[in-house]
Amino acid sequence: GNSVTQMEGPVTLSEEAFLTINCTYTATGYPSLFWYVQYPGEGLQLLLKATKADDKGSNKGFEATYRKETTSFHLEKGSVQVSDSAVYFCALITDSWGKLQFGSGTQVVVTP
Amino acid sequence: SQTIHQWPATLVQPVGSPLSLECTVEGTSNPNLYWYRQAAGRGLQLLFYSVGIGQISSEVPQNLSASRPQDRQFILSSKKLLLSDSGFYLCAWTQATYNEQFFGPGTRLTVL
Repeated sequence: GNSVTQMEGPVTLSEEAFLTINCTYTATGYPSLFWYVQYPGEGLQLLLKATKADDKGSNKGFEATYRKETTSFHLEKGSVQVSDSAVYFCALITDSWGKLQFGSGTQVVVTP
Repeated sequence: SQTIHQWPATLVQPVGSPLSLECTVEGTSNPNLYWYRQAAGRGLQLLFYSVGIGQISSEVPQNLSASRPQDRQFILSSKKLLLSDSGFYLCAWTQATYNEQFFGPGTRLTVL
């Protein structure tokens, strides 16, 4: 079956540090890949996406590249801010019903 | 532009009481609709999805049911709540099945 594996959190960083959150997946076919962010007490917001191999999604300084050979979609940001503190979810869609398969989420805490 | 609403925002219910959570989408037609649950400290689990009025698919056998009485309305129900039904319930929609889903603000349910 399909699955998404994310690194365990929490990840604690100082402001302006480099952030990487690892995400690997197992899927049949060619999934679309997503990163969602959840701020405390809120719903999920789409952060970025990639729909085919070697695509790079980017938004708000975050980037992730769809690597088919390593089945990975790692999230990176060069200089984090306190406002980036949130839970980040990696997810994929493989079927025609559009069902999202989520990773377990990674909490990121950025301190001043 | 499209918006998605959920209500209530928070709910505290006794064990054995009924439940009705509502989700509505504006600004689009014939969306795919989804209900997810996020238990405390855990990832998101897909509960139900719908590709049209009256068409409901269940992902996980449980104490809950869903209905779609109108094109842009999705309701999550229970006849008798269990303690294990506590969690954060998120509704989402998408227009095309391999595209990103857009999430509502969520309903936090506490069953006592």
